Amino acid sequence: DAGVTQSPTHLIKTRGQQVTLRCSPKSGHDTVSWYQQALGQGPQFIFQYYEEEERQRGNFPDRFSGHQFPNYSSELNVNALLLGDSALYLCASSSVTYGYTFGSGTRLTVV
Amino acid sequence: EDQVTQSPEALRLQEGESSSLNCSYTVSGLRGLFWYRQDPGKGPEFLFTLYSAGEEKEKERLKATLTKKESFLHITAPKPEDSATYLCAGSNYGGSQGNLIFGKGTKLSVKP
Repeated sequence: DAGVTQSPTHLIKTRGQQVTLRCSPKSGHDTVSWYQQALGQGPQFIFQYYEEEERQRGNFPDRFSGHQFPNYSSELNVNALLLGDSALYLCASSSVTYGYTFGSGTRLTVV
Repeated sequence: EDQVTQSPEALRLQEGESSSLNCSYTVSGLRGLFWYRQDPGKGPEFLFTLYSAGEEKEKERLKATLTKKESFLHITAPKPEDSATYLCAGSNYGGSQGNLIFGKGTKLSVKP
């Protein structure tokens, strides 16, 4: 059974550009959450999607947006990239009966 | 403000030298306290969920406990393969709802 799949694994972007990260949840999971983890820090909650709607959002600017598709997969979009957006972006899927499962993340470097 | 604080930031042990990692939390209406293991460049791997004060859970050399203010991860006779960053997180939502509030983690190194 495949776990949470994230793509791409690594990405290098230039300041001001836009980026899209993708996540396929674990089979049986209907909820997707996104986290940002800076080097040496714990993950910080960006937002959560359920039934194709943003259910909860953390303290991140509107440059961060997302989407969930009918098959429960999700995208994270970041506009107008800043150097400070460089981080490991983690996707976690879950359901009412199952706890959170994290993917291996996408390492984003902004230069 | 809900907060999770882990100590120490880093811990170096000799193989077989038991120790404990601390997680202090101020999460209003805590519904669950989670422990994860994270290897470099990887996503967090689930270890335990604790729901109420006094609860304990064990897995191999690891044992997690919960009080009303803290959680401890006890590591008994650690091996080099236990080297990783251990993350603690609290949630004030039940089930799959809501966000996890993470601490910064404790980086554990176990030397042979």
